[in-house]
Amino acid sequence: DTGVSQDPRHKITKRGQNVTFRCDPISEHNRLYWYRQTLGQGPEFLTYFQNEAQLEKSRLLSDRFSAERPKGSFSTLEIQRTEQGDSAMYLCASSLAPPGLAAYTGLELFFGEGSRLTVL
Amino acid sequence: DAKTTQPPSMDCAEGRAANLPCNHSTISGNEYVYWYRQIHSQGPQYIIHGLKNNETNEMASLIITEDRKSSTLILPHATLRDTAVYYCIVRVDVGSYIPTFGRGTSLIVHP
Repeated sequence: DTGVSQDPRHKITKRGQNVTFRCDPISEHNRLYWYRQTLGQGPEFLTYFQNEAQLEKSRLLSDRFSAERPKGSFSTLEIQRTEQGDSAMYLCASSLAPPGLAAYTGLELFFGEGSRLTVL
Repeated sequence: DAKTTQPPSMDCAEGRAANLPCNHSTISGNEYVYWYRQIHSQGPQYIIHGLKNNETNEMASLIITEDRKSSTLILPHATLRDTAVYYCIVRVDVGSYIPTFGRGTSLIVHP
């Protein structure tokens, strides 16, 4: 399977614990995005990377959240001191940004199946 | 961000065309219209995008009005597997691209 993969698919943790999610994007994709989705809502943008550089972070991404993409390939999203409000589906997506803005005609994002977090 | 307005829900009979509307009256000249869908318990899936001309691919057709203030996604022969939430997204096509999802339209295709 050459799609976006996320691990784990499900995580149940107690309030105050730290959790880490991993995302493996499509191999040639240089952009990687993290979103969060709660029941009945659309996905909310958290952060994105171009190669290893984190280019933008949402205000939703509090200081308890940190994301990395150390070698421009896989990414991790860590949540420290989890709270019940962190319970959600965490979605990862990747895309290929062609070089040069002139050739940048918009992208399709390829999403993984998500990692569902339940904080008790 | 240009904002979009979609009906919260629609239904369609299997085999018939599903026409999903989206209003984006504040769209600017260089903003594309994108459509994604999300089947229950899966991540969103890109469907199609366009700027001002109508577009068609193997999944759907996109009709954008001449003033670009609204668009319609057409699934020509809806199947039960097309039951999903459909998101219309408008985004500037320069610099970073971050799709901003609203609540979309929940389409139910019934037998």
